[in-house]
Amino acid sequence: ETGVTQSPTHLIKTRGQQVTLRCSSQSGHNTVSWYQQALGQGPQFIFQYYREEENGRGNFPPRFSGLQFPNYSSELNVNALELDDSALYLCASSLFNRDTEAFFGQGTRLTVV
Amino acid sequence: QKEVEQDPGPLSVPEGAIVSLNCTYSNSAFQYFMWYRQYSRKGPELLMYTYSSGNKEDGRFTAQVDKSSKYISLFIRDSQPSDSATYLCAMSRAGNNRKLIWGLGTSLGVNP
Repeated sequence: ETGVTQSPTHLIKTRGQQVTLRCSSQSGHNTVSWYQQALGQGPQFIFQYYREEENGRGNFPPRFSGLQFPNYSSELNVNALELDDSALYLCASSLFNRDTEAFFGQGTRLTVV
Repeated sequence: QKEVEQDPGPLSVPEGAIVSLNCTYSNSAFQYFMWYRQYSRKGPELLMYTYSSGNKEDGRFTAQVDKSSKYISLFIRDSQPSDSATYLCAMSRAGNNRKLIWGLGTSLGVNP
């Protein structure tokens, strides 16, 4: 098991609602990346946070937003949920610029109905 | 065309078989090549990590990178039922902001 923990593990939301997912990074890691993994697909990069600021963003609309806190933990917020947002959301922690050595959490399974 | 292509399978082999998994890619800027294993309902777990071309071996696992062909492989020797999982390749550029670009993943089943 990695030291990266995500909460909640499962979540069901209604279309149009808002959701917040949480991630605690591995001890010593200062960078958090978020990925969306739809069923049968590889993870898609949403964004990365370093020093409490966004450090790179994938092709996701502004209703996907995030935060990083001084203890390096992070949140992913999604507004105006759509059915296609149903996916496994993965958090990965690493040292800065060492994405290739990131550790992943178990993910949050979000279902939008 | 996707930057990284990976056959999703599924692939089914008998216990003890040698398994060959592979990915192709189109972006010659990729320098880092990773293989992850993902069990059902879990996050990906890093198996192998290679920089640039060449081979890397770790126990029953061997990763190969052929940058001239833009082709990477993962070999699993003496496969075990516990190897049954989805195997994802991922790649990134060198330099800043090395976001990972992933394949679809190949579903592998090893039958006892």
